[in-house]
Amino acid sequence: DAGVIQSPRHEVTEMGQEVTLRCKPISGHDYLFWYRQTMMRGLELLIYFNNNVPIDDSGMPEDRFSAKMPNASFSTLKIQPSEPRDSAVYFCASSLALSSSNYGYTFGSGTRLTVV
Amino acid sequence: GNSVTQMEGPVTLSEEAFLTINCTYTATGYPSLFWYVQYPGEGLQLLLKATKADDKGSNKGFEATYRKETTSFHLEKGSVQVSDSAVYFCALGSARQLTFGSGTQLTVLP
Repeated sequence: DAGVIQSPRHEVTEMGQEVTLRCKPISGHDYLFWYRQTMMRGLELLIYFNNNVPIDDSGMPEDRFSAKMPNASFSTLKIQPSEPRDSAVYFCASSLALSSSNYGYTFGSGTRLTVV
Repeated sequence: GNSVTQMEGPVTLSEEAFLTINCTYTATGYPSLFWYVQYPGEGLQLLLKATKADDKGSNKGFEATYRKETTSFHLEKGSVQVSDSAVYFCALGSARQLTFGSGTQLTVLP
């Protein structure tokens, strides 16, 4: 398995533009997570899905952020309009189970977003 | 709620030195505990885990023991290498999700 695949690896955009980040989870994993990592705030959970359904989006910072999972092999995180404070590394992760008693999460390599 | 407190970094060691990164947690029930490692420019990778009290997780020379009485899961390695330079995250797994610590930056000098 190729692992969790994220694209693009790097994205530089101008303030006000729409940004779409993409993720392909590991086949067979039921859960998909979107995290944001910054120096100031560390690793923050934004939203997670179970069987393609959003379960908890309480970490989504504001209405400018939206996430979808149209099928089991693809998810997007969209920011519209983007702002400089959205600059961060965004990680996608997938897992066989929410309860991590026997499973960890598998992370993608991340998308480094810079909004200028 | 659940929380994880990690030793603040950065930590700088010489090659072959002994490493300890402290991690304590607060949780209800019986969580699983994890250490993740993040190498520069990469995502987090699972390093080791322990699923119940007194379990010892180990991998690549790293070890951590699940201590319920002290609510701790300290990461140790007897002799670090330059290639161990990375950020290390302690995490707690409950029925809801993984809760991560803030991460500890480790730099090993040759």
